[in-house]
Amino acid sequence: GENVEQHPSTLSVQEGDSAVIKCTYSDSASNYFPWYKQELGKRPQLIIDIRSNVGEKKDQRIAVTLNKTAKHFSLHITETQPEDSAVYFCAASTPNTGNQFYFGTGTSLTVIP
Amino acid sequence: DTEVTQTPKHLVMGMTNKKSLKCEQHMGHRAMYWYKQKAKKPPELMFVYSYEKLSINESVPSRFSPECPNSSLLNLHLHALQPEDSALYLCASSQGFGAYEQYFGPGTRLTVT
Repeated sequence: GENVEQHPSTLSVQEGDSAVIKCTYSDSASNYFPWYKQELGKRPQLIIDIRSNVGEKKDQRIAVTLNKTAKHFSLHITETQPEDSAVYFCAASTPNTGNQFYFGTGTSLTVIP
Repeated sequence: DTEVTQTPKHLVMGMTNKKSLKCEQHMGHRAMYWYKQKAKKPPELMFVYSYEKLSINESVPSRFSPECPNSSLLNLHLHALQPEDSALYLCASSQGFGAYEQYFGPGTRLTVT
């Protein structure tokens, strides 16, 4: 099946700085890459996603880039705010296994005011 | 309504008890999922119901059994659980079983004593 690796596992940034989280995947057939944010004690919520026919997608302060050749994708958060503090999970979905989500191990982001 | 609801929010049960977790969505989604999530870990897929077919993660013990009474409801029946089954149980739904966003419910925090 698919294998997703996520780095770093923890990340601390000053408020206003940028944060970047990187994921790699193994199955070249993977075609959908969502990013979820999970605040402590709450449900995972989708913050942005990208499909394999697109190289980059942006939504206000959040962007995702996808490099299909290298099989990696990244989450970029600019102008970070304390409310961005959470655990972020990347995932990859491949039709080879019915498009179930394979999650990365998570990144705990702390934004220091 | 873009929400998945789960009951109960919290559940404490002994190892000999039988209990059920409930999940409901009214978005007309055709796929529903049960995930198990341990602290600081990504969600692990347990079961998928899609177009009235059940897909099972073969590593899930038989003390967990899903039931789908209709396309909006998904139950998880629990019997003879072990303390290591204590976790957050998340339900999710999506338009179909494919490259679609999964919407998560708030979860049931289960403690097995």
